[in-house]
Amino acid sequence: DAEITQSPRHKITETGRQVTLACHQTWNHNNMFWYRQDLGHGLRLIHYSYGVQDTNKGEVSDGYSVSRSNTEDLPLTLESAASSQTSVYFCASSEGADRTNEQFFGPGTRLTVL
Amino acid sequence: GNSVTQMEGPVTLSEEAFLTINCTYTATGYPSLFWYVQYPGEGLQLLLKATKADDKGSNKGFEATYRKETTSFHLEKGSVQVSDSAVYFCALARGSSGDKLTFGTGTRLAVRP
Repeated sequence: DAEITQSPRHKITETGRQVTLACHQTWNHNNMFWYRQDLGHGLRLIHYSYGVQDTNKGEVSDGYSVSRSNTEDLPLTLESAASSQTSVYFCASSEGADRTNEQFFGPGTRLTVL
Repeated sequence: GNSVTQMEGPVTLSEEAFLTINCTYTATGYPSLFWYVQYPGEGLQLLLKATKADDKGSNKGFEATYRKETTSFHLEKGSVQVSDSAVYFCALARGSSGDKLTFGTGTRLAVRP
């Protein structure tokens, strides 16, 4: 069965370190998204990609970067981790450019920045 | 810009009670509307959707009707079960390209036996 996986599931790091969260999907979807989930905010979009070599900033992109070198993967990098980036991170994917399409979510990565 | 407003939680109900979770939205044009559910320790999964005015989405006994005149998409279920305990997110998608979602803050539902 097709799926979307994230690793690690839990990560503790220190302020100032670079951290990379992995996202891998086997749906062969063109679109991939990164969200962060915080109490009182729901999910907020960090970055997204509509295909290989395409990346775009979301509403809370400062301090984050992504790259899309193949269809399956969209790693999220925190260049210099800050305590404000402590959150749960979700990756999602969807097919095509239709606004009615369902997004499929990974299980999430809980990141703690000390 | 686009926004989604959900009722504050948590909502605590007894098994077999009627559920309503309110959701209103602000968006230009005709967005698609979604309800996603997040069970403990898991990612979000689509519960139901509606893509045009007066459409009714339904799944697993849950329903929601796209009301353009009141810009609402309230989630209802006639008889909740303990297994429905989860966080429910209302969301909209609007855009000429792609399907970026704007989420509400989520409503936690706890169902007591």
